[in-house]
Amino acid sequence: EAGVAQSPRYKIIEKRQSVAFWCNPISGHATLYWYQQILGQGPKLLIQFQNNGVVDDSQLPKDRFSAERLKGVDSTLKIQPAKLEDSAVYLCASSLDTYGFTEAFFGQGTRLTVV
Amino acid sequence: TQLLEQSPQFLSIQEGENLTVYCNSSSVFSSLQWYRQEPGEGPVLLVTVVTGGEVKKLKRLTFQFGDARKDSSLHITAAQPGDTGLYLCAGAKMNRDDKIIFGKGTRLHILP
Repeated sequence: EAGVAQSPRYKIIEKRQSVAFWCNPISGHATLYWYQQILGQGPKLLIQFQNNGVVDDSQLPKDRFSAERLKGVDSTLKIQPAKLEDSAVYLCASSLDTYGFTEAFFGQGTRLTVV
Repeated sequence: TQLLEQSPQFLSIQEGENLTVYCNSSSVFSSLQWYRQEPGEGPVLLVTVVTGGEVKKLKRLTFQFGDARKDSSLHITAAQPGDTGLYLCAGAKMNRDDKIIFGKGTRLHILP
């Protein structure tokens, strides 16, 4: 079974530029998550989709971050404009929509460096 | 408010020693997972526990879910350098949306 695919693996941009990340979840997984992981910390949930609807985006900085999941499969996360503090690894994960028993499977992440 | 507190934050021990790391919360979770993350990689699921008091073993790793489903522990016997990594616990809340909430992790370093 193919895992969660993310691209690119690495990205370096200057502050105030824009960047987009792509995620392809495991086939059949209804739920998709985007996490931000700052060096040395645990992942912080940015947004959670169930199919193509948003379940939780309470920690998404909406003035600069946006995400979409068209057709309930692939997803993109965009940052515009980027700030230095956005430097982090952006992890995408997916899970089966099984009530009360949820395991997340992660991609390798995109390491973003804002200079 | 950090819903899942992991301790210790850092742990460095000699190869062959035993260790226990903890994941605590004031909230009840329907299930709790432990992940290990190596540098440059995404977290990899080790185990999921769902029943209060449940104990699961994965070779030298023993996972326990608290009776009240608010806390969990991970015990490693005879630690090896390959156990080095960031250990994350994550809980799924008891509601319809099944959000997965992560602790900040315990960074474990096993010295050869």
